[in-house]
Amino acid sequence: GNSVTQMEGPVTLSEEAFLTINCTYTATGYPSLFWYVQYPGEGLQLLLKATKADDKGSNKGFEATYRKETTSFHLEKGSVQVSDSAVYFCALRTQGGSEKLVFGKGTKLTVNP
Amino acid sequence: GAGVSQSPSNKVTEKGKDVELRCDPISGHTALYWYRQSLGQGLEFLIYFQGNSAPDKSGLPSDRFSAERTGGSVSTLTIQRTQQEDSAVYLCASRFVGEKLFFGSGTQLSVL
Repeated sequence: GNSVTQMEGPVTLSEEAFLTINCTYTATGYPSLFWYVQYPGEGLQLLLKATKADDKGSNKGFEATYRKETTSFHLEKGSVQVSDSAVYFCALRTQGGSEKLVFGKGTKLTVNP
Repeated sequence: GAGVSQSPSNKVTEKGKDVELRCDPISGHTALYWYRQSLGQGLEFLIYFQGNSAPDKSGLPSDRFSAERTGGSVSTLTIQRTQQEDSAVYLCASRFVGEKLFFGSGTQLSVL
């Protein structure tokens, strides 16, 4: 079946540090890939997405590249800020049929000043 | 408001009681999803409605769980004979075809 595996947290970084949160997936066909973010006290919201191999999604300084050969979609940011503290979820959606989103377990990021 | 609205925001119930959770999606959104978020378990898919098509119920954990969507808009998730392991945040999300998913703030369910 379709599944997403992301690195377990929590992750604690200092401000301006480099961030990588690993995400790999298993899916039939060619899924679309997403990163969602949940800031403290808020609902989940889309951070970025990529719909085909080699696409790069980017938003708010975050980037992730759809790597079909390694079935990965790692999230990166060159210089994190305290305001990036949140829980990050990797997700996939398969094409056709039931377009449900399958999520990873989430990775909690804390950025200290 | 313009977002996905869920009610109640918090629900405390006793084991064995039934509960109903409500979701008002964004107007015009044809797809509606229910997820469950448990501590350390991430988001677990429960059920998906798309227009007039038969819902995808493949994520419902047991026959105590059911959901309906009336008139293609409001949805109700019902949990019968609640158990302590049902305690979680229940999230509703909606979207228009091909667009991003918008989540509500969730209902925190606590079963004592």
